[in-house]
Amino acid sequence: AQTVTQSQPEMSVQEAETVTLSCTYDTSESNYYLFWYKQPPSRQMILVIRQEAYKQQNATENRFSVNFQKAAKSFSLKISDSQLGDTAMYFCAFKQSQGGSEKLVFGKGTKLTVNP
Amino acid sequence: DADVTQTPRNRITKTGKRIMLECSQTKGHDRMYWYRQDPGLGLRLIYYSFDVKDINKGEISDGYSVSRQAQAKFSLSLESAIPNQTALYFCATSDPTPQGEKTQYFGPGTRLLVL
Repeated sequence: AQTVTQSQPEMSVQEAETVTLSCTYDTSESNYYLFWYKQPPSRQMILVIRQEAYKQQNATENRFSVNFQKAAKSFSLKISDSQLGDTAMYFCAFKQSQGGSEKLVFGKGTKLTVNP
Repeated sequence: DADVTQTPRNRITKTGKRIMLECSQTKGHDRMYWYRQDPGLGLRLIYYSFDVKDINKGEISDGYSVSRQAQAKFSLSLESAIPNQTALYFCATSDPTPQGEKTQYFGPGTRLLVL
């Protein structure tokens, strides 16, 4: 069974600085998808960024980028120029490519606080 | 307007009561999901449906049932609520097109408290 581990329960960063959130996963699949979701105090689950395993190029979305290391099964999220609105829980999630429920397997989350 | 809506947003009920949580979507997606979020545990899949005639159990389906009334509607029922079903419940949808990443898009969540 796939598992997702986020080893940092809480992190903090100063506004305008850069922070990296860690995520590792375990799977025997060769192709799959990885996601980072953000959950602000409003509770909404918001997609931040996604990566397809067979694409070697790391995904980027404005200030958000990932460092995808397939061999190491690592998928970290880098937030540049942190803003107060980035304060939220961040969840790393895995989805197998084909078959089954296509459920998302989530990590336990990292609580990020951006300080002014 | 939101693409995925959930009603109610908050609900308090008593042990033994039957309640229904509703989800509607305007994204035109075939696939719909119900997840449960508990503090410190992330989200876990309760049920999922790939079309109106397809309903499947997820990893924690005991004590729950679902109904897919239409492509756009997917309801979750607690037949006899118990306190350990107190949680945040999310509905999600995804597009099955092969070229897509089948990203799941979430509703705003329903916070349920069972006394």
